[in-house]
Amino acid sequence: AQSVTQLGSHVSVSEGALVLLRCNYSSSVPPYLFWYVQYPNQGLQLLLKYTSAATLVKGINGFEAEFKKSETSFHLTKPSAHMSDAAEYFCAVPKGGTGRRALTFGSGTRLQVQP
Amino acid sequence: DAGVIQSPRHEVTEMGQEVTLRCKPISGHDYLFWYRQTMMRGLELLIYFNNNVPIDDSGMPEDRFSAKMPNASFSTLKIQPSEPRDSAVYFCASSLTGGGGETQYFGPGTRLLVL
Repeated sequence: AQSVTQLGSHVSVSEGALVLLRCNYSSSVPPYLFWYVQYPNQGLQLLLKYTSAATLVKGINGFEAEFKKSETSFHLTKPSAHMSDAAEYFCAVPKGGTGRRALTFGSGTRLQVQP
Repeated sequence: DAGVIQSPRHEVTEMGQEVTLRCKPISGHDYLFWYRQTMMRGLELLIYFNNNVPIDDSGMPEDRFSAKMPNASFSTLKIQPSEPRDSAVYFCASSLTGGGGETQYFGPGTRLLVL
């Protein structure tokens, strides 16, 4: 089954600084990869998704992610952090097999933005 | 569209009681997912339906959990009897069939506390 690993359960950056959240997928190349964001006391919402059409994927709120097969990575970046970016971020991949429509999520990275 | 609707938003119950969580997916969506989020286990799939039929229930913890989807606009997740370890946030999500990699739209979640 597919899986993803998120390095760093907590990341703290200053407002205006680069945001880098890490995600690595298991060895086989997945057809799709997702980043979701969860604001406090809310459900998850899609930030962006990779569909193999392009390795650099742009999402909402200025976020983007680059699919790198050689590194089995799909890291999320944003050039300049804003206070409103404080949230928990989840990388996800289709579960595979009979559960292929469902998602397997990483453990999440909580982003803190300091003023 | 109103988005995915879940009720109740908060539920506090005592061990041994029956708990029923409800979900109304986005109109026209043919996939419905139930996820559970805990600090220890993160986000995990419990079960999902396609056109009201359960497809993958391998994540349902045990016989105390059951889920139904009697029609395209309503699903329930029932826990009977409830136990303190069932305390978690339960999310419902829905999606529309595409070529794969469909976006899942999450509800706000039901925060369950079993005393």
